[in-house]
Amino acid sequence: EAGVAQSPRYKIIEKRQSVAFWCNPISGHATLYWYQQILGQGPKLLIQFQNNGVVDDSQLPKDRFSAERLKGVDSTLKIQPAKLEDSAVYLCASSFFAHSGYEQYFGPGTRLTVT
Amino acid sequence: TQLLEQSPQFLSIQEGENLTVYCNSSSVFSSLQWYRQEPGEGPVLLVTVVTGGEVKKLKRLTFQFGDARKDSSLHITAAQPGDTGLYLCAGAGGSNYKLTFGKGTLLTVNP
Repeated sequence: EAGVAQSPRYKIIEKRQSVAFWCNPISGHATLYWYQQILGQGPKLLIQFQNNGVVDDSQLPKDRFSAERLKGVDSTLKIQPAKLEDSAVYLCASSFFAHSGYEQYFGPGTRLTVT
Repeated sequence: TQLLEQSPQFLSIQEGENLTVYCNSSSVFSSLQWYRQEPGEGPVLLVTVVTGGEVKKLKRLTFQFGDARKDSSLHITAAQPGDTGLYLCAGAGGSNYKLTFGKGTLLTVNP
């Protein structure tokens, strides 16, 4: 079974530039998550999708971050414009369903450096 | 906001030693998960504990969930270099099974 795919793996941009990350979840997984992991911290949930609908985006900085999952499969996360404090690893995860007993599978992440 | 405190933050031991890491919160969680994350990879689930007082064993790893479902511990017996990594605990709560992660314990096992 193929895992969660993410691209690019690394990205370096200057502040105020824009960047987009892509995630392809495990086939058949209805729930997709984007997390931000700053160095030395645990992952923080940015947004959760159930199929193509948003379930939770309470911690997404909506003035600069946006995410979509138009066809209920793959997803993109965009930052525009980027700030220095956005430097982090952005992890995508998926699960069959958002319920106890359904494991979240994480992708390898995209390491973003903002200079 | 639910917070999870993990301790210690860093741990460096010799191969063959035993160790325990802790995960504490003032909040009650419906379940608690432990993950291991290696450099350049995403976290990988080790175990989920659901019932207060529950103990689960995974080879040399023993996980315990506190009676009040607010804290948990991970004990590793006879640590090996392959156990090196970042150990994260995560509490689940809410109708959407939202995970709140601790900051992690970075374990280094030296040969």
